Amino acid sequence: AQSVTQLDSQVPVFEEAPVELRCNYSSSVSVYLFWYVQYPNQGLQLLLKYLSGSTLVKGINGFEAEFNKSQTSFHLRKPSVHISDTAEYFCAVSEGGGYQKVTFGTGTKLQVIP
Amino acid sequence: SAVISQKPSRDICQRGTSLTIQCQVDSQVTMMFWYRQQPGQSLTLIATANQGSEATYESGFVIDKFPISRPNLTFSTLTVSNMSPEDSSIYLCSVAIPGTGNTEAFFGQGTRLTVV
Repeated sequence: AQSVTQLDSQVPVFEEAPVELRCNYSSSVSVYLFWYVQYPNQGLQLLLKYLSGSTLVKGINGFEAEFNKSQTSFHLRKPSVHISDTAEYFCAVSEGGGYQKVTFGTGTKLQVIP
Repeated sequence: SAVISQKPSRDICQRGTSLTIQCQVDSQVTMMFWYRQQPGQSLTLIATANQGSEATYESGFVIDKFPISRPNLTFSTLTVSNMSPEDSSIYLCSVAIPGTGNTEAFFGQGTRLTVV
């Protein structure tokens, strides 16, 4: 069975500083990997996804993530955060062909400090 | 992309009653999903609702408690039956987008349910 671990429940960071949100997964087969963002009182929005190909994936709002198969990681990074990036971020994994049986991590709350 | 409208956005309900949550999509989609997000926790899949077939429930969720309807390719409802305070959660509707090979999903804004 697949699982996702987000190592940090909360990450405080100063505005314009870089940030990395960590995600590790476990699966016995090839996976699709996703990062979603949830702003307060809103649904989830897809930031980026890894299906195959280049291990460095660029998403919206200046975020990027790198798939590392040997370390089973898919960490999310941004070189310079803004106040508007304050939100909760969810890593997710899918083993199915397409968006099926997706497992979400427990989320990381990013707090950007002015 | 897809625009998903979920109603109601929030509600406060008495224990023992039922609430039906509606999910309307602005395009036809085959795969729809219902998730629960309990306070301070991640999303848990309740069931997959594909048009033309019975909903498929995940372990720990049963049809009697969470009946789902999927009458067409743009609409679904989830009912939370005989509610207890433990059902207080955010309930989210999600759809997989055919144009992405069903590799992306869009979410509604959620229904914040409080049971008192």
